[in-house]
Amino acid sequence: TQLLEQSPQFLSIQEGENLTVYCNSSSVFSSLQWYRQEPGEGPVLLVTVVTGGEVKKLKRLTFQFGDARKDSSLHITAAQPGDTGLYLCAGASTDKLIFGTGTRLQVFP
Amino acid sequence: GAGVSQSPRYKVAKRGQDVALRCDPISGHVSLFWYQQALGQGPEFLTYFQNEAQLDKSGLPSDRFFAERPEGSVSTLKIQRTQQEDSAVYLCASSSRQGYGYTFGSGTRLTVV
Repeated sequence: TQLLEQSPQFLSIQEGENLTVYCNSSSVFSSLQWYRQEPGEGPVLLVTVVTGGEVKKLKRLTFQFGDARKDSSLHITAAQPGDTGLYLCAGASTDKLIFGTGTRLQVFP
Repeated sequence: GAGVSQSPRYKVAKRGQDVALRCDPISGHVSLFWYQQALGQGPEFLTYFQNEAQLDKSGLPSDRFFAERPEGSVSTLKIQRTQQEDSAVYLCASSSRQGYGYTFGSGTRLTVV
């Protein structure tokens, strides 16, 4: 069974702080995706990383794929209340995505 | 349509009742996935279709769960003789290309009482 463990599980911070979410696995994935999910909605794709060591930036969000393609991180700079949500990493495995355990982020004004 | 549409949004079923959940994927998307999500957890894979072919159903928790996509577009997830542990959000996603980003629907929240 392929498992993607995310840490931390919960994160409550003040507006303006920086944070990093980690996604770790013992398995190698051909690509890794990050999603954000808000209550009552489905996950929304933020980014896909494909190459080991790849770094992608999306405004205040920075995504990194580990060299061995087993792990990834999401760094948010100067968090805002609008960043609040459930962050999910997902590894592509053959014909489907395997989702991580999730990190629930709350940003207080 | 512009997005993935799921119906109903909410379903309350009495234990033992059969339910059917519908998914309308993005037009032209050949891949369709069903996931089950418990509160506060990541989605767990149930089954996958490529066009009308069900290529992977390894995540279906029991033989009470059945999915179909007879014409390669709309899909239905059926749960027979529902039990309390079936209570969850059922998410449908479609993709134009294997391994690339999924577009998810808003899900169906099933509550078995």
